[in-house]
Amino acid sequence: NAGVTQTPKFRVLKTGQSMTLLCAQDMNHEYMYWYRQDPGMGLRLIHYSVGEGTTAKGEVPDGYNVSRLKKQNFLLGLESAAPSQTSVYFCASSYSTDSYEQYFGPGTRLTVT
Amino acid sequence: AQSVTQLDSHVSVSEGTPVLLRCNYSSSYSPSLFWYVQHPNKGLQLLLKYTSAATLVKGINGFEAEFKKSETSFHLTKPSAHMSDAAEYFCVVTRGSARQLTFGSGTQLTVLP
Repeated sequence: NAGVTQTPKFRVLKTGQSMTLLCAQDMNHEYMYWYRQDPGMGLRLIHYSVGEGTTAKGEVPDGYNVSRLKKQNFLLGLESAAPSQTSVYFCASSYSTDSYEQYFGPGTRLTVT
Repeated sequence: AQSVTQLDSHVSVSEGTPVLLRCNYSSSYSPSLFWYVQHPNKGLQLLLKYTSAATLVKGINGFEAEFKKSETSFHLTKPSAHMSDAAEYFCVVTRGSARQLTFGSGTQLTVLP
């Protein structure tokens, strides 16, 4: 099993450009999450999904959109990138059980200039 | 609302000496609590989890944590630090029906030779 994978690993964007980050998991997990990590702030939840075709806002959703067309994939989109979106982005997934444990991908480092 | 406070942003210890990373939580119900570790330029790995079973929880690599409801604490300890323990550690509490996680701001552990 590859677990949770993220594409790309690194990206540099200019302000106003758009891009999509792809998260894929092969563990048949129902729940998937997108976080951003900034120095001194831990991880903050952007959006999440409790199943195929469903998405919901997290703590910091502004400027991002998501889609979950297939159970194994969760896409994070930036329509018009801003320097404030420079961050490391992590995807995670979890079972729909009581364990609450989330499994994390390796991260995508995004720089917006 | 559920939240966690990591009381130290940086901790330095000498190799072979004990490690103590402090975490206090706030929760309106009996929470699930986790410690995750992040090595430089890596994703997050689960160290241990508390889910209302035994209050003393053992994790990987010799780490353990004790849930103390009276003190609302979940401190992480290890009897003897190893150089490979140098990393950032996050205390995490669950919230919401979608198994969302709230992260502390992190504690950077440095292990001195």
